Amino acid sequence: SQTIHQWPATLVQPVGSPLSLECTVEGTSNPNLYWYRQAAGRGLQLLFYSVGIGQISSEVPQNLSASRPQDRQFILSSKKLLLSDSGFYLCAWSVMAVLKTQYFGPGTRLLVL
Amino acid sequence: SQQGEEDPQALSIQEGENATMNCSYKTSINNLQWYRQNSGRGLVHLILIRSNEREKHSGRLRVTLDTSKKSSSLLITASRAADTASYFCATDGPGANKLVFGAGTILRVKS
Repeated sequence: SQTIHQWPATLVQPVGSPLSLECTVEGTSNPNLYWYRQAAGRGLQLLFYSVGIGQISSEVPQNLSASRPQDRQFILSSKKLLLSDSGFYLCAWSVMAVLKTQYFGPGTRLLVL
Repeated sequence: SQQGEEDPQALSIQEGENATMNCSYKTSINNLQWYRQNSGRGLVHLILIRSNEREKHSGRLRVTLDTSKKSSSLLITASRAADTASYFCATDGPGANKLVFGAGTILRVKS
């Protein structure tokens, strides 16, 4: 069966520090991968998605970047965090093309101070 | 802009009552999905309805879709305290590799 992992679960970082959040998927090949951010009590904002290794689509201009160095690994990064980067970050995967149902990881709560 | 918009934003009911949440969208879709999110957790897929379907059931869930009105509803019957969560609709578009999620409805079921 497929599983998706995200770490860390919680992160507190100072403003201006770098960020690296990792997401890995097991049990499937060539998935679409997604990074979302969710502000407290709000909906999901799609940040990046990837349909293959090295292929990244950016949805919102911002302080963040994403990379997909391996088929089932998706990394969200920042060189210098801003206060506004605080939020709940969710990774998700889906089977390419089909019904586009997405399967979510447990999320990382990021607090930038 | 967001494709799906849910209403109400928040709903509080007693255990045993039915809960109805609505979703409206703007452009044509292939399918519409509903997800649930417990506080501080990832989203879980509940049910998918295709654009050529009008109604779908899964356990205590009933979803309707009216493509002429570009709207959908999620009905949870005989609610339980464990149904307390946020519920999101998500829509896709032709050729899109992504879903667009609404802002969600926060459901609280009181025991």
